[in-house]
Amino acid sequence: QLQLQESGPGLVKPSEILSLTCTVSGGSISSSDCDWGWIRRPPGKGLEWIASMYCNGRTYYNPSLMSRVTISSDTSKRQSSLKLTAVTAADTAVYYCARVRPSSSSDYFEFWGQGTLVTVSS
Amino acid sequence: QSVLRQPPSVSGAPGQRVTISCTGGSSNIGGGYDVHWYQQLPGTAPKLLIYGNNNRPSGVPDRFSGSKSGSSASLAITGLQAEDEAEYFCQSYHSSLSGSEVFGGGTKLTVL
Repeated sequence: QLQLQESGPGLVKPSEILSLTCTVSGGSISSSDCDWGWIRRPPGKGLEWIASMYCNGRTYYNPSLMSRVTISSDTSKRQSSLKLTAVTAADTAVYYCARVRPSSSSDYFEFWGQGTLVTVSS
Repeated sequence: QSVLRQPPSVSGAPGQRVTISCTGGSSNIGGGYDVHWYQQLPGTAPKLLIYGNNNRPSGVPDRFSGSKSGSSASLAITGLQAEDEAEYFCQSYHSSLSGSEVFGGGTKLTVL
């Protein structure tokens, strides 16, 4: 059974950098263990896609966050990382990592981590 | 305001059939992009429910089905059960500007 676990600080100060890591365990190591996505859900709001990274090294970002976000991965460690700079209270959310299933049409998020709450506050 | 519009809430009695709509436009669903659905039970992570408009991952009961027509998609749940009470989100690709994956605003299903 594939399991994804997000980790990182639960509290970040305004204007600082939010850094999260997603570690995969279980399941069989497959060639798709390098297609990752990050999604967040602010309190009282819906899901928002943040970024995706694929085995071919390509990265894609939500246009509204593109200037502040970086996604990376370490395939040997089965990890994906997310960095979000210059955070504000609007970045307070539960952050999820997910394994992306690429498709010729619209990619989808096949397996999800349990999520980690990040609060931006001084 | 999401580019994929869902009703904020729907409800139904146990055993009934409910549908949840997801309406987009020519830059997403109407442009031929697939629609996917997720179920988020209270306090848990979202779970893939339907992918590629009408495909169920292993383990998802056949009470759940998806369809797509034009610029809209629907999730149908038959034989409603108390455990189906959750929030449901649709997702597709939006090709405008830089292009991005987009989610609907979510629909809260209440089992009466």
